[in-house]
Amino acid sequence: DVKVTQSSRYLVKRTGEKVFLECVQDMDHENMFWYRQDPGLGLRLIYFSYDVKMKEKGDIPEGYSVSREKKERFSLILESASTNQTSMYLCASSSPQGFGYGYTFGSGTRLTVV
Amino acid sequence: GQQLNQSPQSMFIQEGEDVSMNCTSSSIFNTWLWYKQEPGEGPVLLIALYKAGELTSNGRLTAQFGITRKDSFLNISASIPSDVGIYFCAGQLGPGMHSGYALNFGKGTSLLVTP
Repeated sequence: DVKVTQSSRYLVKRTGEKVFLECVQDMDHENMFWYRQDPGLGLRLIYFSYDVKMKEKGDIPEGYSVSREKKERFSLILESASTNQTSMYLCASSSPQGFGYGYTFGSGTRLTVV
Repeated sequence: GQQLNQSPQSMFIQEGEDVSMNCTSSSIFNTWLWYKQEPGEGPVLLIALYKAGELTSNGRLTAQFGITRKDSFLNISASIPSDVGIYFCAGQLGPGMHSGYALNFGKGTSLLVTP
């Protein structure tokens, strides 16, 4: 079964910490995405990557950066965590050849910043 | 990206009732998709629509791609308790630009079904 795996289901971090959220996919997909999900706001795109070492800003990139050194792995980095970054973070992947088939999502990481 | 207008925001219904939700956009999309998210999980694709006017079914679910390409609806017939979850619509522009692969999501419809 194809999968997108997020390394942690739950994380609690302190304000000011540097936080790494890891995502790995086993489908050889070119495209990978990071979203955050907040009640009443739906899913908002933070960053996406369409190839190794390539990245593009989404709708809410402020306070975040990303890294894609290998095709299967896409990391989201919170340089200095703040309480307003408490949220559910969802990683997804897709293939250009599978355009229109949407994404495969991971199960999410619920991050709490205290 | 563009946020889609999805309604209703929430629904509380009895088992056996039919459900209808819809999604509108000020821009056209080339693909409309509907996802379901169960508690503690990521969204899972339910139905994908590729052509204006297309009507597609998946079991008790039926979705349509609006003729203007700016809207879509999802119907669930004879709801059951396991239909509980958040339903998201998503629009996708298409190939040609890398950003075209990014999905634009609605804010979701939260569905509760009582036995």
